[in-house]
Amino acid sequence: DTAVSQTPKYLVTQMGNDKSIKCEQNLGHDTMYWYKQDSKKFLKIMFSYNNKELIINETVPNRFSPKSPDKAHLNLHINSLELGDSAVYFCASSRRTQYERGKFFGPGTRLTVL
Amino acid sequence: AQTVTQSQPEMSVQEAETVTLSCTYDTSESDYYLFWYKQPPSRQMILVIRQEAYKQQNATENRFSVNFQKAAKSFSLKISDSQLGDAAMYFCAYRSPYSGGGADGLTFGKGTHLIIQP
Repeated sequence: DTAVSQTPKYLVTQMGNDKSIKCEQNLGHDTMYWYKQDSKKFLKIMFSYNNKELIINETVPNRFSPKSPDKAHLNLHINSLELGDSAVYFCASSRRTQYERGKFFGPGTRLTVL
Repeated sequence: AQTVTQSQPEMSVQEAETVTLSCTYDTSESDYYLFWYKQPPSRQMILVIRQEAYKQQNATENRFSVNFQKAAKSFSLKISDSQLGDAAMYFCAYRSPYSGGGADGLTFGKGTHLIIQP
């Protein structure tokens, strides 16, 4: 009965590779997000996706691309991985008209680029 | 742009005692939402408590309560009767209700690491 799930939990890969992180929510939410948490624990929004409307944080490199096959999924694809991409990535979801209830976060995926 | 500041990188408290985590924010908006999230070692982000800026009454969730001072732009979290399971990183977060043009996300503080001493 997990609300927001992510796979994998850990991802170790070489520089230059392409990888994906999957996210699924079973809460019936209409908006999903990706956040990046750096080594200093600072959380930063990367994308939000609502009803095929993608809003991108302008600081995110275009090597990162979210893909949503349906409302319950928002996967994160990363091309040509760099050392600086090492971080914990969190998926989250919410109902756009009920943002006052906060977001539900997944458990995170720790990405290590060697 | 809004900013959220948590001035205490780390706090330590004895089990069963009360601890207060501070958070201040900067905004020019009059209506917004504030949240406290907990991130235990499992890394999952868990919503602890939320406050709507238009409400004067401080939010309370069991042992967790906030002291919301709108004029001072302060939003502190009080944890009463601290338990070992409360040990975690705590993040204060701000959300504008008018974020349609932006990334529609939360603005987080840098977190406070809470240690519970048995």
